[in-house]
Amino acid sequence: EPEVTQTPSHQVTQMGQEVILRCVPISNHLYFYWYRQILGQKVEFLVSFYNNEISEKSEIFDDQFSVERPDGSNFTLKIRSTKLEDSAMYFCASSEAGQEYSPLHFGNGTRLTVT
Amino acid sequence: KNEVEQSPQNLTAQEGEFITINCSYSVGISALHWLQQHPGGGIVSLFMLSSGKKKHGRLIATINIQEKHSSLHITASHPRDSAVYICAALLVRGSQGNLIFGKGTKLSVKP
Repeated sequence: EPEVTQTPSHQVTQMGQEVILRCVPISNHLYFYWYRQILGQKVEFLVSFYNNEISEKSEIFDDQFSVERPDGSNFTLKIRSTKLEDSAMYFCASSEAGQEYSPLHFGNGTRLTVT
Repeated sequence: KNEVEQSPQNLTAQEGEFITINCSYSVGISALHWLQQHPGGGIVSLFMLSSGKKKHGRLIATINIQEKHSSLHITASHPRDSAVYICAALLVRGSQGNLIFGKGTKLSVKP
């Protein structure tokens, strides 16, 4: 069965550094999402992406965050200057149609540790 | 404030028991997702529903739009069902909208 893949599985970085989290969504899916989960807390929506542009973003997704679909397969989340509070599990997801019409397929997540 | 509340927070059951997890939300939604988060952290979608009832194997999800409430039932529970179950509500704002997640219900099924 097709899967959403995320790399790396664990990233350690120093405060102030830039990180890029990578995701390969399922190939025929059109909608892409990033979520994060701080340890012990609930999952939070960051951003949704459709037709090569951001369709919605949350308050968390400020100017230090950006997303790109640089080619036909990858979907990346960049954090420009990491802070300690960015430490979390970041999940990528994709869906065939919008979230009110089709289920989400999640990757296994990237655990980001900012020191 | 848009909230999704789940109950109970923690649930311990004996193998074979019937389990119910509840989810209530405070605003109008266009769909509700039930997710399962494994101990290793991975998330799997169980159901996406906007009305009525859906069944998949031993899992049943129901939603009552008027009462702003959804339930997830597990029949004949098994230790492999042990996981965190999360409901997430899609606000009425368009299909790319913002999913609001509950805090999850941690289920432990003992053999």
